[in-house]
Amino acid sequence: AQRVTQPEKLLSVFKGAPVELKCNYSYSGSPELFWYVQYSRQRLQLLLRHISRESIKGFTADLNKGETSFHLKKPFAQEEDSAMYYCALSGRAGSYQLTFGKGTKLSVIP
Amino acid sequence: NAGVTQTPKFQVLKTGQSMTLQCAQDMNHEYMSWYRQDPGMGLRLIHYSVGAGITDQGEVPNGYNVSRSTTEDFPLRLLSAAPSQTSVYFCASSSGQRNQPQHFGDGTRLSIL
Repeated sequence: AQRVTQPEKLLSVFKGAPVELKCNYSYSGSPELFWYVQYSRQRLQLLLRHISRESIKGFTADLNKGETSFHLKKPFAQEEDSAMYYCALSGRAGSYQLTFGKGTKLSVIP
Repeated sequence: NAGVTQTPKFQVLKTGQSMTLQCAQDMNHEYMSWYRQDPGMGLRLIHYSVGAGITDQGEVPNGYNVSRSTTEDFPLRLLSAAPSQTSVYFCASSSGQRNQPQHFGDGTRLSIL
């Protein structure tokens, strides 16, 4: 079975402070991992995926297979980063069967 | 491109009523999915489809039916609404490749009284 754990329900940081949203996964094969973001009352949208190794809106995430983690990081938080963040895993079946974590609400304090 | 379109955006039902949540996509995606989003629970997969005429159950399928008569449409039916089905429902579509993301609709906020 595949599982995604986001240990923090809520994370509050001051503007300009570093941000790290934690994500751990359980999966027997080679996972495909994603971070989705949901701004207030908006649809979920892809933030980044591990295969792209890209930086979006200043966020990066590195897959650590040894620690089975895919933490999301940003060096300097901005107020517009306040949102709900979901880590998701795509297993063998395909990306239409994403397993989501329970989400972390990031609040950036001005 | 509209992407994934869901209707209605809001709905209030009485216990026992039935209704259909509509979902349409214009990206020619083979794969479509329905999720429900509940506070503290994240998103949970209800049903999914890998192509027209093919559907299967996800993690929480009870009380819901789906059909996929066309590539574009994937409606979700509540047969007899229950208060436990109060939730926000998201439809998503994707090309199906493991490293390709899902595209989500705006969601339907459903309240069952």
